[in-house]
Amino acid sequence: AQSVTQPDIHITVSEGASLELRCNYSYGATPYLFWYVQSPGQGLQLLLKYFSGDTLVKGNNGFEAEFNRSQSSFNLRKPSVHWSDAAEYFCAVGAGTYKYIFGTGTRLKVLA
Amino acid sequence: ETGVTQTPRHLVMGMTNKKSLKCEQHLGHNAMYWYKQSAKKPLELMFVYNFKEQTENNSVPSRFSPECPNSSHLFLHLHTLQPEDSALYLCASSQESGYGYTFGSGTRLTVV
Repeated sequence: AQSVTQPDIHITVSEGASLELRCNYSYGATPYLFWYVQSPGQGLQLLLKYFSGDTLVKGNNGFEAEFNRSQSSFNLRKPSVHWSDAAEYFCAVGAGTYKYIFGTGTRLKVLA
Repeated sequence: ETGVTQTPRHLVMGMTNKKSLKCEQHLGHNAMYWYKQSAKKPLELMFVYNFKEQTENNSVPSRFSPECPNSSHLFLHLHTLQPEDSALYLCASSQESGYGYTFGSGTRLTVV
């Protein structure tokens, strides 16, 4: 069965520290992979995506993610977190035409 | 400006009321979606429309009735809802599965 796992429900980091949010997926074919970010009271915004080519993809505001086929992972990273990065982050996998499966999300808290 | 506009932003309704949620996109996308987002649960896909035709109904109760009059507009008609239907309802659109969704800001629905 297709699934997406985000093992960390909450993560707290200090401003300026590095960040890694984990995402593991289960999908039979070559996946399309996405990270979305949701601020309170808002919809989800696409942060970055992978569907082929270079396994390291770069997104907005210094975020990047690496597709690791052998580990079935698509972890999101940022070298130095800013207070404005506090939000909820969702990993998603393309599960056939027009249909995505989302993880349960990781809520990021940033300490000043 | 996200490209996908949802109205209203907030809605409080009684269990015997009838109301509708509206979603509009002018991005030229082919597909539109309704998702339900409840606390501590993964995003739940409710309905998918592709070129105005419903292609997915994810076992959604009949008290939720979607309507897609054209590729730019999507409605969700609500009647005799239950308190457990209180959630954030998100509309999204996409061109092809590899490009990711564009989400609206959502309608926060409270059923009393």
